[in-house]
Parts: sequence; C-alpha cells; structure tokens
Amino acid sequence: AQSVTQLGSHVSVSEGALVLLRCNYSSSVPPYLFWYVQYPNQGLQLLLKYTTGATLVKGINGFEAEFKKSETSFHLTKPSAHMSDAAEYFCAVSEVTGGFKTIFGAGTRLFVKA
Amino acid sequence: ETGVTQTPRHLVMGMTNKKSLKCEQHLGHNAMYWYKQSAKKPLELMFVYNFKEQTENNSVPSRFSPECPNSSHLFLHLHTLQPEDSALYLCASSPPGQGSYNEQFFGPGTRLTVL
Repeated sequence: AQSVTQLGSHVSVSEGALVLLRCNYSSSVPPYLFWYVQYPNQGLQLLLKYTTGATLVKGINGFEAEFKKSETSFHLTKPSAHMSDAAEYFCAVSEVTGGFKTIFGAGTRLFVKA
Repeated sequence: ETGVTQTPRHLVMGMTNKKSLKCEQHLGHNAMYWYKQSAKKPLELMFVYNFKEQTENNSVPSRFSPECPNSSHLFLHLHTLQPEDSALYLCASSPPGQGSYNEQFFGPGTRLTVL
C-alpha cells in the first residue's frame, strides 16, 4: 500500500533563506510524485510532479524537487524564500499502474519571517 | 466561470438536516473527486467518478451520497451528519488519460460545520 510521510507539520524560515520541505513515500510499484500548495481559503494547486525521466523536477514559483529512489524521498526546495511562499504544502503519491487514487501527506505549513 | 467551482463556500447544518454540495468544472475533464480535509490530517479521498461512473468509494459512510450526472458536475448529498463530519470538502477534477499520471485541479472547497 502507498503512503506519504511529511516530516514536520510546521517549518519556519527567514525571508531569503533556503526552503526545504521533506517528503518520504512508500510504494510497491514505481510512483508518480506530486507537490501541491494550498493558500488560505483556496484549493490545492500543483507545484510540480515527477513521472519518469529526469529526477530533478522544476516547478512554478522557483520550487524544485528531486526524486531519490534509494531514499524513497521527494523533498521540495527553493533557494530563497519569499513572504508570498507562506502556505501549506502537500506531498502526494499515485501508482504508475493506473487508477485514480492519489495519497496525500498530512501537509507542512511554511511560515516565512521578515 | 473557469476552473473548478464549489457552492456553497460555507455551510452550517444540524444533524437532522439534508443538504447538498455542488461542484462544477469547466475544464473539459472526465474525472471528478471528492476529498475531506480535516485539521492536522491528510486529505482523505472519498469518491472518484470517471466519465460519470464511480471508480472509487473509500469506505465512506452512507450518510454521504455522491451523484455525478455528467462529467462537468458532481454533487455530495448530506444527511444525518455527525459533528465529526465538520471539515473542508474539496472537489477536484483531472484530464482524460491515465488518472494517476495527471494532476488534479481543485476547487476552493466548502467549509462544513455540523452542529
């Protein structure tokens, strides 16, 4: 069965500092991996996804994530945090074998200090 | 309107009431989803419809009854709910093709409070 673990329900960084949000997954088959962001009073919005090919994936707003199969990880990074990055971030996994089931992590709320 | 819309945005209901949540997508997608988002818990997939056919029912209590009359509309009918059903209910849709490959497009959610 698939599962997703996001380490840290809250992460606080200073503006301009590196953002690192951690995600580990469990899947018995090759996974598709996603990061979504949720701003207050809004639905989730896709930041980036990994399906196949290059393991370093670039997304919107300067975010990127690296798929590391040996570590079963898909951590999200951004070199320099902006105040507008403050939001909740969700890692998600679905199976290559098909179906419509995507498993989401519990989310990490990012705080950005001025 | 564009994207995924949900109405109402806020709903307060008693445990004996019957109400419905509505979701509409104008993206030409074929798959539609209901999720429950509770504080400090992962998003819980409730139901999935693909081309109006239900493909997932994640052991959801029968007091939640979905309806998908066409690929653009999805409803969640609610009756005799419990206070623990209070949550943000999110609707999403995804494009044609392999479901698990595609990103999902989310609506803003309906904030439900059960008294």
